[in-house]
Amino acid sequence: SQTIHQWPATLVQPVGSPLSLECTVEGTSNPNLYWYRQAAGRGLQLLFYSVGIGQISSEVPQNLSASRPQDRQFILSSKKLLLSDSGFYLCAWSLGRNQPQHFGDGTRLSIL
Amino acid sequence: GESVGLHLPTLSVQEGDNSIINCAYSNSASDYFIWYKQESGKGPQFIIDIRSNMDKRQGQRVTVLLNKTVKHLSLQIAATQPGDSAVYFCAENQAGTALIFGKGTTLSVSS
Repeated sequence: SQTIHQWPATLVQPVGSPLSLECTVEGTSNPNLYWYRQAAGRGLQLLFYSVGIGQISSEVPQNLSASRPQDRQFILSSKKLLLSDSGFYLCAWSLGRNQPQHFGDGTRLSIL
Repeated sequence: GESVGLHLPTLSVQEGDNSIINCAYSNSASDYFIWYKQESGKGPQFIIDIRSNMDKRQGQRVTVLLNKTVKHLSLQIAATQPGDSAVYFCAENQAGTALIFGKGTTLSVSS
C-alpha cells in the first residue's frame, strides 16, 4: 500500500532563517505531488505541484520554492522565512488528474 | 479566490442521526469532486469522490450527491458517530491538475 511521510511534524524558526520541508511517498511510481498551505480555520491553498522529476508548477507567487530531486521526493524550501510563512504545510500525492489526493500529516510551521 | 464554498461553517448533530453537509460550486466546467475529513492536527483524509457523469455515489455509511443543475454537492453520513466529529472539506477539479478546496464545515457529534 502507498504511504506518505512528512517531516518534521512541528517546526519553530526565526524570521530570516532558511527552510526545508521534506515529503516522501512509498508504494507507487511517478505520482503527482503537491504542497499546500492551510491557514487556521481555512481551506487548503495549493502552493506547488509536480507531475514528474524536475517539473514544478507554482500556483501563487511567494517566498517559497519547491523541488523534486527524485520520483517520490518533494521538498519545500525558503531562503529567508517571513512571519507570513507561518502555517500548516501539507504534502499530497495522487495518481493523476481526477484521482484522489492523499495527504500526509503536515508540518506546523511557526515563525518567530 | 475560492470557488467552492459550504453553506454552513458548523453543524451539530446527535449520535445516531444522519448528517448532511452541503457544498456549492461555481464552475460548471468542474468534472471531479471530492470530500475530505480532517481531524485536529492531521492531514485531510479522503472520504469519497464523484465524477460529473454521475449524480450519486455511495460508500460505507457515506453518500455523495451531485446536482449539476444547481451546482451543488452534498455529503450524507448515516448514523453519525462521535468519531465522525471533524472538519469536512469539499473540493473540485476545474480544469487542471489541482483541486480547489472550500473553507470547511465543522461537524460536532454529541452523545
